[in-house]
Amino acid sequence: GAGVSQSPSNKVTEKGKDVELRCDPISGHTALYWYRQSLGQGLEFLIYFQGNSAPDKSGLPSDRFSAERTGGSVSTLTIQRTQQEDSAVYLCASILRGGGPDTQYFGPGTRLTVL
Amino acid sequence: AQTVTQSQPEMSVQEAETVTLSCTYDTSESDYYLFWYKQPPSRQMILVIRQEAYKQQNATENRFSVNFQKAAKSFSLKISDSQLGDAAMYFCAYRSPQTSGSRLTFGEGTQLTVNP
Repeated sequence: GAGVSQSPSNKVTEKGKDVELRCDPISGHTALYWYRQSLGQGLEFLIYFQGNSAPDKSGLPSDRFSAERTGGSVSTLTIQRTQQEDSAVYLCASILRGGGPDTQYFGPGTRLTVL
Repeated sequence: AQTVTQSQPEMSVQEAETVTLSCTYDTSESDYYLFWYKQPPSRQMILVIRQEAYKQQNATENRFSVNFQKAAKSFSLKISDSQLGDAAMYFCAYRSPQTSGSRLTFGEGTQLTVNP
């Protein structure tokens, strides 16, 4: 595609429910990142996928967060038993090759609101 | 671990004037990349400019330029001839070629207002 796309654009959920956020990276990009942006804050790294390698999950804040990337393309970030502090904008970015000088291209994000 | 600091939560500029946004970072590495991203209300992070640390020459992209001071670990963004469309949140970001996947480390952001 022309750019990174994310869905849904906005998600409102009740505390305790599970949510899934989707990211479609730029076609041909081998690496994909998830970041979280809390209100008025900078972006916080969550997880990184590179090709078929095991993902770097070191930024996930708790075991309620998980992510997968199917077929080296689409990625889904899942948050189980959501809490109010999970409310944030979740941004996805893709890059042609991880670890190199290439630029990360970002999607428009999913705004998650946990009531 | 690297840290990025933007000490100006908010800045404002008159249309057609020049504004400079500050960014400092802390690292023990000698090779790295620095970026300025713009985030308008649409939330889309847009790359404004990038700088490779091994390059002494400051990067320039049209009305946007940087003042990269490696010894001082400073990386400021200058916007010349400011336009209403420049209004956005601006983030400074650091990327190390050493950390896994070269993730970006972001500053807290500077909200830029452009007054007509």
